[in-house]
Order: sequence, then C-alpha cells, then structure tokens
Amino acid sequence: AQSVTQPDIHITVSEGASLELRCNYSYGATPYLFWYVQSPGQGLQLLLKYFSGDTLVQGIKGFEAEFKRSQSSFNLRKPSVHWSDAAEYFCAVGPRSNDYKLSFGAGTTVTVRA
Amino acid sequence: EAQVTQNPRYLITVTGKKLTVTCSQNMNHEYMSWYRQDPGLGLRQIYYSMNVEVTDKGDVPEGYKVSRKEKRNFPLILESPSPNQTSLYFCASSLSPGQGGYNEQFFGPGTRLTVL
Repeated sequence: AQSVTQPDIHITVSEGASLELRCNYSYGATPYLFWYVQSPGQGLQLLLKYFSGDTLVQGIKGFEAEFKRSQSSFNLRKPSVHWSDAAEYFCAVGPRSNDYKLSFGAGTTVTVRA
Repeated sequence: EAQVTQNPRYLITVTGKKLTVTCSQNMNHEYMSWYRQDPGLGLRQIYYSMNVEVTDKGDVPEGYKVSRKEKRNFPLILESPSPNQTSLYFCASSLSPGQGGYNEQFFGPGTRLTVL
C-alpha cells in the first residue's frame, strides 16, 4: 500500500536560516509528487510539483524540492526563511494513472523565530 | 478568478441533524474530491468524482454521501452527523486525465465542522 512519511512533526527555524523538510514515500512506481503549504486558517496552496524531467524543481515563494528515486524522497528546501513561511507543509503523492487519489503525509509545522 | 469555494466556512451542529457542505469550482475541472483533515493524520480522501454522475469512495467514506449532478458542484452530505465527524473539510478539483491533467489539485478554503 502506498504511504507518505514526513518524519518531522515540528521544526523551528530562525528567520534567515535555511529550511529542509523531509518526505519519503512508498509506492509501486514513481508517482506524481507535490508539496502544499497551509497557512493558519487557510486552505492548501500548491508550492511545487514533480512530474518528470529535471529532478530539482522550483516552486513559488523561493522553495525548491529534489526528487531522489533511489531514496524514494522528495525533500523541500528554502535557502533563507522569512517569518511568513511559518505554516504547515504537506507532501503528497499521486499515481500516474486515471486513479487520481492523492496520499498525504501527516504534515510538518514550521515555526519561524525572529 | 479561478477558485474553489466552499460554504459554509464554519458550522456547529448537533448529532443527527442532516447537513450539506457545498463546493463549487469555476475552472471547468472534471475531477473533484473531498478530504478531511485531522491533527496528526494529514488529509484523508472521503469521496471523489471523475466527472458528472460518476462518484467513488475514498479512504474514509463512512457516514458521508456526495452527488455530482453538474460539473461545477460537488456537495458533501452528512445524513446523520456524529461527533467523530468533527473535522476540517476540504474540497478540491483538478483537470482529469481526459482533460490533460496531472493530478494537480486545487483546494477550497476549508469548512470547519463541529458536531456536538
């Protein structure tokens, strides 16, 4: 069965420091990969996605993610965090088929300290 | 503006009182889905629809119903709500494979439901 693991429930980072959020998945074949961000009281906004091609993908708000097939990972990074990046981040995977079911990780809450 | 809308945004109700949460999208998406979000569990899919009059169960369908009579709307119905359905609910939509989509789902703002 497919699963998505975000090992870090909560991360605290200083403003201006770098951030890396981990995501590992268990899937039969390479899925579509997504990172979503949920700011307090808001819906989910797509940060970036991986479908094929270059394994380093760029997203909005200065985020990037790297797909590593050998490690079944899709880690999210940002070189310099801003206070507005405080939010909950979800990794999601979906099959490359007509079955459009997205499987989500449990989420990582990011706190940014001044 | 392309968007997914949900109503109501907040709802407090009592056990057994039927309720409907509406969802509408203006992007001509064939695919729509409902999720519930609970702390520590991420988002779990309740039901989804690949097109008008086509719906199917997700991971946690018990206690919920849906209908898809027109492309833009996908209401979630709780016939007899119970306290364990207290949660944050999200509707999402996407282009279907037939529309050239890649499962990139757009989410509504969420509906926070409390069942007493």
